Amino acid sequence: QSALTQPASVSGSPGQSITISCTGTSSDVGSYNLVSWYQQHPGKAPKLMIYEGSKRPSGVSNRFSGSKSGNTASLTISGLQAEDEADYYCCSYAGSSIFYVFGTGTKVTVL
Amino acid sequence: VQLVQSGAEVKKPGASVKVSCKASGYTFTSFDINWVRQAAGQGLEWMGRLNPSTGHIGRGQKFQGRLTMTRNTSIGTAYMELTSLKHEDTAVYYCASGGDSFDIWGQGTTVIVSS
Repeated sequence: QSALTQPASVSGSPGQSITISCTGTSSDVGSYNLVSWYQQHPGKAPKLMIYEGSKRPSGVSNRFSGSKSGNTASLTISGLQAEDEADYYCCSYAGSSIFYVFGTGTKVTVL
Repeated sequence: VQLVQSGAEVKKPGASVKVSCKASGYTFTSFDINWVRQAAGQGLEWMGRLNPSTGHIGRGQKFQGRLTMTRNTSIGTAYMELTSLKHEDTAVYYCASGGDSFDIWGQGTTVIVSS
């Protein structure tokens, strides 16, 4: 099972919006509304930012939003802030044989 | 609500490693415990999951035959054992609880495989 495809890096200036794509297949992203997104700062454990495609856990800023179209999920960060600089990973359920597959990861840089 | 993992390990190739993950602040049997690893400078890799209530497990195909996941419900602790270690198993190993997402993460356990 191949990893989901994410851009290696995305950058933006403070206050701007950026979008990170996560492309899978009809066997994972396209089949289930079970995409989650994780933020990881250097040397830290990942943190859940979005679950079930577009839902935000309690305590996560509403500047983070998720969506899906076909086999591609997206994470949008609006009003970019310095603290958003981190690695971001998507993850999708892929059925009862594969279970879960992560994306390749995207480094977000705040210019 | 937190997951606290055991400390770093250094193992020789061919050996086994067992990492623990202690849950607190919630009912241990309510959510699956997943194991995810990350090699240095690399991405996240899902390894397997354990249902603490039933003991039912699911493993990634890559880890079939080498990965064992168990739990002790009386002390709210899950365990991950990886056997026949190779150099490429050197990574930070995380436990994470949740349903179909990984809501709470442990702090990570560094496992180094070196001869």
